[in-house]
Amino acid sequence: DIQMTQSPSSLSASVGDRVAITCRASQSISSFLNWYQFKPGKAPKLLIYAASNLQGGVPSRFSGSGSGTDFTLTISRLQPEDFATYYCQQSYSTVLTFGGGTKVEIK
Amino acid sequence: QVQLQESGPGLVKPSQTLSLTCTVSGGSISSGGYYWSWIRQRPGKGLEWIGYIYYTGSTYSNPSLKSRVTMSVDTSKDQFSLKLGSVTAADTAVYYCARRTSGDSDVFDYWGQGTLVTVSS
Repeated sequence: DIQMTQSPSSLSASVGDRVAITCRASQSISSFLNWYQFKPGKAPKLLIYAASNLQGGVPSRFSGSGSGTDFTLTISRLQPEDFATYYCQQSYSTVLTFGGGTKVEIK
Repeated sequence: QVQLQESGPGLVKPSQTLSLTCTVSGGSISSGGYYWSWIRQRPGKGLEWIGYIYYTGSTYSNPSLKSRVTMSVDTSKDQFSLKLGSVTAADTAVYYCARRTSGDSDVFDYWGQGTLVTVSS
C-alpha cells in the first residue's frame, strides 16, 4: 500500500495566520491527491481534489499544491471555522490510503 | 444536496458481526457513476478505507479486511450496507459511509457524519 505521511500532526495558530500542512507519499502518485476537513460530529468535507483544484463552495483561502510525492495544503488567513483536523488521501492506487491527519488548534 | 446517514448498533460483542447501513438522500444510488464506500477511523489511528459497492452490486474491498467484509446494496431504498465478521476490539472505530466519484476527479465528495461502533463484551 502507498503510505501517506502528514506533518505536522498538530499545530497551534491564530486567526489570520497562514498555515501550511504537508503530505508525502511513499511513491509517486502524480496529482492523485485530495484534502479533507474533519470536525467532530459533522460530515467530513472535501476541500481540494487532484492536488490543486478547489472543490465548489470551498473558500479561496484554501489552496493545494504539489505533485509526485510532496504536497501542501495552505490556508492563507486562518478563520475561526478552520480549526479542525485535515487529512490527505491518495487515489492513485486501487487501495486508497489516507494520511495520519493534522489537527489545527487555536493558539 | 446529497446526504448520507449511517445507522446500526453502537455495541457489538467480540466474534460477532458488525452490521451498518447507509441511507442516501438527495440522490439515487442507481444513477451510476459513483462508488458507495465505507471508511473507518480507529481510536488514535488514521483513516482506513474499507471498500466500496457499485449500484450493480459489484464490490471491491481493502485486502487487509477483505476476508471479513461483505457489502450489499438496496437500490429500492437507496441504501447500502456493510457487514464485518469476526470482530475484535481492534474493530472499534467510527465508521463513515461516503460517495466516491469515478472519472477525472476520484474523490469522496459526500460523507455521512460517522457512527461509533464499540466492540466489547
